[in-house]
Amino acid sequence: AQSVTQPDIHITVSEGASLELRCNYSYGATPYLFWYVQSPGQGLQLLLKYFSGDTLVQVIKGFESEFKRSQSSFNLRKPSVHWSDAAEYFCAAGGRHGNNRLAFGKGNQVVVIP
Amino acid sequence: NAGVTQTPKFQVLKTGQSMTLQCAQDMNHEYMSWYRQDPGMGLRLIHYSVGAGITDQGEVPNGYNVSRSTTEDFPLRLLSAAPSQTSVYFCASSSRNRGLDTGELFFGEGSRLTVL
Repeated sequence: AQSVTQPDIHITVSEGASLELRCNYSYGATPYLFWYVQSPGQGLQLLLKYFSGDTLVQVIKGFESEFKRSQSSFNLRKPSVHWSDAAEYFCAAGGRHGNNRLAFGKGNQVVVIP
Repeated sequence: NAGVTQTPKFQVLKTGQSMTLQCAQDMNHEYMSWYRQDPGMGLRLIHYSVGAGITDQGEVPNGYNVSRSTTEDFPLRLLSAAPSQTSVYFCASSSRNRGLDTGELFFGEGSRLTVL
């Protein structure tokens, strides 16, 4: 069965420092991969996604992620965090064919300190 | 743009009571799903639907029922509430693009349920 592992539950980072959140997946084939972000009291919002092609995915807000097939990983990085980046981050994987069901990791709670 | 709307946002039930969490989307999405979020557990799929009249079970379906009579609505019913069903529930929808699943979910803001 497919699964997603986020090994670091709580992460504390200083404002301006770099951030890396790890994500590993177990899947029968190369899945769709996603990072979602959840602010307190809110639903999840898509941060970035990987379907195919270039393995380095860059989006707005300075976040980037790199798909590494050999390591079954899809880590999320940001070179310099802002206080507004404090949130919970979820990695998710889904099949390329079927019904859009996603398997989620347990999440990373990111705390940003001044 | 309403997107995915869930009601109620908060609910307290006693053990054995039944209730329905409502979910509606206005994006004409084919797929809808219900997840529950528990601390340290991430999100777990309860039930999902690939279109009106079609539903199926996810990872943790026991104690919940769903139906999909219209494209827009996907209510989640708790038949006899138990304390283990205390959780935050999220409804999500997604669509297809050129015949392929996009896999991108649009979430509601959640419904926090407490069962005493």
